[in-house]
Amino acid sequence: GAVVSQHPSWVICKSGTSVKIECRSLDFQATTMFWYRQFPKQSLMLMATSNEGSKATYEQGVEKDKFLINHASLTLSTLTVTSAHPEDSSFYICSARPVSGDRETQYFGPGTRLLVL
Amino acid sequence: GQNIDQPTEMTATEGAIVQINCTYQTSGFNGLFWYQQHAGEAPTFLSYNVLDGLEEKGRFSSFLSRSKGYSYLLLKELQMKDSASYLCAVMDSNYQLIWGAGTKLIIKP
Repeated sequence: GAVVSQHPSWVICKSGTSVKIECRSLDFQATTMFWYRQFPKQSLMLMATSNEGSKATYEQGVEKDKFLINHASLTLSTLTVTSAHPEDSSFYICSARPVSGDRETQYFGPGTRLLVL
Repeated sequence: GQNIDQPTEMTATEGAIVQINCTYQTSGFNGLFWYQQHAGEAPTFLSYNVLDGLEEKGRFSSFLSRSKGYSYLLLKELQMKDSASYLCAVMDSNYQLIWGAGTKLIIKP
């Protein structure tokens, strides 16, 4: 089956530093990747949608200058949390929509847990 | 606005049956998903309904009524490993997933 990986799986960083999270589709190509954030006991919240070779579309309330998204290839998207603060501590999950397949199909990565001290 | 409602928490007994309901109001509809999420892990896909009716897959079944904006996930022969959160999500007219807050299912021996 289709596999999506995320790296790192967890990260602890100091306040003010930047953290990069990678999302890779391992055995398929993805035109679109989605970035979600999930706080404890809450649902997934879509942060942004990224399409290969174009700028990401951010959801209302998500700062595009703080959460930098790059989707440089059909198998890799990165999310960089710049100048991280404790309130950015969360579970970040990506999903990928295959090039070949229905628009309803998304495969989820295992998530990255970020803790900002 | 868009809204997905599901109970916050449910408790059931091992071996029993439980039904988790979900009601939704969204701008457009391109299907309803159920996901299972264990604590600290990403969601895993359980089912997808786009037409009215019941979809059965092993111990899990999912039902959809588009006219009522209603779905349920039915879990049979409950096992302890079924203890998890169950997320209802609707794909809207833009093919974006709108997520419910999840139902935490507690299974007791």
